[in-house]
Amino acid sequence: EPEVTQTPSHQVTQMGQEVILRCVPISNHLYFYWYRQILGQKVEFLVSFYNNEISEKSEIFDDQFSVERPDGSNFTLKIRSTKLEDSAMYFCASRPPTGLALSGELFFGEGSRLTVL
Amino acid sequence: AQTVTQSQPEMSVQEAETVTLSCTYDTSESDYYLFWYKQPPSRQMILVIRQEAYKQQNATENRFSVNFQKAAKSFSLKISDSQLGDAAMYFCAYRHGAKAGANNLFFGTGTRLTVIP
Repeated sequence: EPEVTQTPSHQVTQMGQEVILRCVPISNHLYFYWYRQILGQKVEFLVSFYNNEISEKSEIFDDQFSVERPDGSNFTLKIRSTKLEDSAMYFCASRPPTGLALSGELFFGEGSRLTVL
Repeated sequence: AQTVTQSQPEMSVQEAETVTLSCTYDTSESDYYLFWYKQPPSRQMILVIRQEAYKQQNATENRFSVNFQKAAKSFSLKISDSQLGDAAMYFCAYRHGAKAGANNLFFGTGTRLTVIP
């Protein structure tokens, strides 16, 4: 069964460094998302992406964050200058075309744990 | 922003017994979707069950069923005949209906379910 895959599973970085988290969504999906979960807190929406542009973003998704779909298969989240409070689990998700969307079901990856020291 | 509240951080159930996980939400919308996602340890979140707000009938998926109380804004998950494989973190989530930009899910903080053999 197709899955959303994410790499790396865990990354440790120094504060101020740039980080790129990678995701490979399910191949026929058209909508892509990043969520994050700070330890002990709820899963929070960061950004959604459709037709090669951001369709919606939360207030968390500030200028330090960017997303890209560089090659038609990968979907990346970049954090330009990491802060301690960026430490979290980051989940990528994708959704099929609207007609197959089953009321908005998202398919999630296993997550990338980011630790900022 | 919509809020989703899961008041039970942890629950436990004896194998083969029934357990109910609680979820309440706050919205002014009449058209929306509700979901329960399951996240086993070190695995991705997978959809367990969904409910369309316009449907009065409670959704059922095998051993999983919901008690959707629209007026009370309550959406509890009942797991019958609990199995060891049901042990996971369970997230309740809300999504707007078919309005522009209604991309993202709002999650609760999760309930960790332990199944006791």
